[in-house]
Amino acid sequence: AQSVTQLGSHVSVSEGALVLLRCNYSSSVPPYLFWYVQYPNQGLQLLLKYTSAATLVKGINGFEAEFKKSETSFHLTKPSAHMSDAAEYFCAVRRGGSQGNLIFGKGTKLSVKP
Amino acid sequence: EPEVTQTPSHQVTQMGQEVILRCVPISNHLYFYWYRQILGQKVEFLVSFYNNEISEKSEIFDDQFSVERPDGSNFTLKIRSTKLEDSAMYFCANGEGQGRYNEQFFGPGTRLTVL
Repeated sequence: AQSVTQLGSHVSVSEGALVLLRCNYSSSVPPYLFWYVQYPNQGLQLLLKYTSAATLVKGINGFEAEFKKSETSFHLTKPSAHMSDAAEYFCAVRRGGSQGNLIFGKGTKLSVKP
Repeated sequence: EPEVTQTPSHQVTQMGQEVILRCVPISNHLYFYWYRQILGQKVEFLVSFYNNEISEKSEIFDDQFSVERPDGSNFTLKIRSTKLEDSAMYFCANGEGQGRYNEQFFGPGTRLTVL
């Protein structure tokens, strides 16, 4: 069965510091991986998705994620945090075919200190 | 940019009452999903729907739940007799379903509170 694990339910960084949110996956087949962001009182917005075209995936708002098969990881990073990045971030893996449901991690809440 | 909308944004109901949560999907996106998020817990899959029938459902989606597209556009989730543990945020999602890497577009959610 496929699953994702997000390490750290809460991460706090200073403005301008590196953001690193960890996600490890478990999948017996090539995984379809996604990162979503949820701002307060809003729905889930796609940040980026892994398409196997490149191991380093660039997303919106300066975020990127690196797919490492050997480590079964898909960590999300941003070189310099901004106050507007404060939100909850969810890693997800899609089950099955192109219309399969998403399996989410527990989420990591990112706080950014001035 | 097209978006998924959901109504109501917040629903308060008494235990045992029926509720209907509504979703307006993106035009021409033919795959529909409902997920829920109990406060403090992960987002969980409930059901997927395509071509007017359920494609997949989780063990959470028991006989108290049903889905339909009553008018060919709106997509609804009905809970027949709500329980306290149904209190959660319910998200509708919509996907094109074409291509290996297609994404699901999420609505803003309906917060259901069962008293």
